[in-house]
Amino acid sequence: NAGVMQNPRHLVRRRGQEARLRCSPMKGHSHVYWYRQLPEEGLKFMVYLQKENIIDESGMPKERFSAEFPKEGPSILRIQQVVRGDSAAYFCASSPDRGQQPQHFGDGTRLSIL
Amino acid sequence: GNSVTQMEGPVTLSEEAFLTINCTYTATGYPSLFWYVQYPGEGLQLLLKATKADDKGSNKGFEATYRKETTSFHLEKGSVQVSDSAVYFCALKVQGAQKLVFGQGTRLTINP
Repeated sequence: NAGVMQNPRHLVRRRGQEARLRCSPMKGHSHVYWYRQLPEEGLKFMVYLQKENIIDESGMPKERFSAEFPKEGPSILRIQQVVRGDSAAYFCASSPDRGQQPQHFGDGTRLSIL
Repeated sequence: GNSVTQMEGPVTLSEEAFLTINCTYTATGYPSLFWYVQYPGEGLQLLLKATKADDKGSNKGFEATYRKETTSFHLEKGSVQVSDSAVYFCALKVQGAQKLVFGQGTRLTINP
């Protein structure tokens, strides 16, 4: 399966711990997007990255959240000192370029904060 | 700002019924419009898209027409199946921007 791969599928953390979510884009895709879905809500854009560059982080909370997409390896969404309100499904999407190609989504990481 | 409004769910229909899920949008310029479907426990799958006014996107018996005059992109299917039960999201992408703006989703349940 050459789709967008996210891991882990489920992640449980206690308040104050760190959460690391990983995303490997589809083969040939160099653009990665992260979205957050709160229960019973639509997806909200967080950040858009290309290899080694953050292009648009207008949806990222100002504190505790960071994202990277290194030259080698998956994109990482990092949440430090997690709080209960961080509980959500986090989805990664990828596309081949900046054009009109649709974004392809992974199956998401369900983050639960105890 | 850019936004998408979908008809509120949940929607429950019987098999073979006609389906309409309303979607209207507010956007600067001429956005591309999308419908995504999310099955339980899975990510979003692109269902169909339209990139300019009067375009009709279609896939798996679903259709939606980009109506600029009413800023709408309603999803329709003539005869739904139990396997169509899922959450449906309408979304837009404004030219020059890369992020998708989603509606809140409409949960659809089809009973046999």
